[in-house]
Amino acid sequence: GEDVEQSLFLSVREGDSSVINCTYTDSSSTYLYWYKQEPGAGLQLLTYIFSNMDMKQDQRLTVLLNKKDKHLSLRIADTQTGDSAIYFCADLNRDDKIIFGKGTRLHILP
Amino acid sequence: GAVVSQHPSWVICKSGTSVKIECRSLDFQATTMFWYRQFPKQSLMLMATSNEGSKATYEQGVEKDKFLINHASLTLSTLTVTSAHPEDSSFYICSASPRGGGRTDTQYFGPGTRLTVL
Repeated sequence: GEDVEQSLFLSVREGDSSVINCTYTDSSSTYLYWYKQEPGAGLQLLTYIFSNMDMKQDQRLTVLLNKKDKHLSLRIADTQTGDSAIYFCADLNRDDKIIFGKGTRLHILP
Repeated sequence: GAVVSQHPSWVICKSGTSVKIECRSLDFQATTMFWYRQFPKQSLMLMATSNEGSKATYEQGVEKDKFLINHASLTLSTLTVTSAHPEDSSFYICSASPRGGGRTDTQYFGPGTRLTVL
């Protein structure tokens, strides 16, 4: 079946860049998303990328997509304490359903 | 921006009782609402999709008689966990879409409801 995989934990020093990686298996995915979940809260859509793009930049966020390798990454420049959260990678499958990864917990070191 | 609320934000109940969770779209009409369940350190799993005025479509493995979903209006969907048991303890998140969901940014997520069954 379809699967979205991402590492569970990432620790980064404040001010450095964070790079969260994700792989997916569905070659028919049309949209890929990054969501942010703060403690006890719902999901916030951070950004998305269409499958025919290989890069999208939005302020401190850069999304890179390697469709051949089915690899998606989210780079957060100048990581701040407010970026501490769980980041979910997700893709839109052929049935228009969003398939989520397990989430990467980003921990910011002072 | 589009806001989705959930009530209650947390609930503790005894085993065997039923619990109702509400999901409301506050500033838009949601033709479709989704219910997800999130286990600790796990991803969100889609439980069901509901369209206003029609029966919900449940994902494989989700008991429709256990998790009753009602989407009676364009701004409200409810999830009732019937005869709750400790294994039903989880974080339940709803999302709402004005145009059917999926695609770009048309799913707006609620803050979630933490259910603990004793």
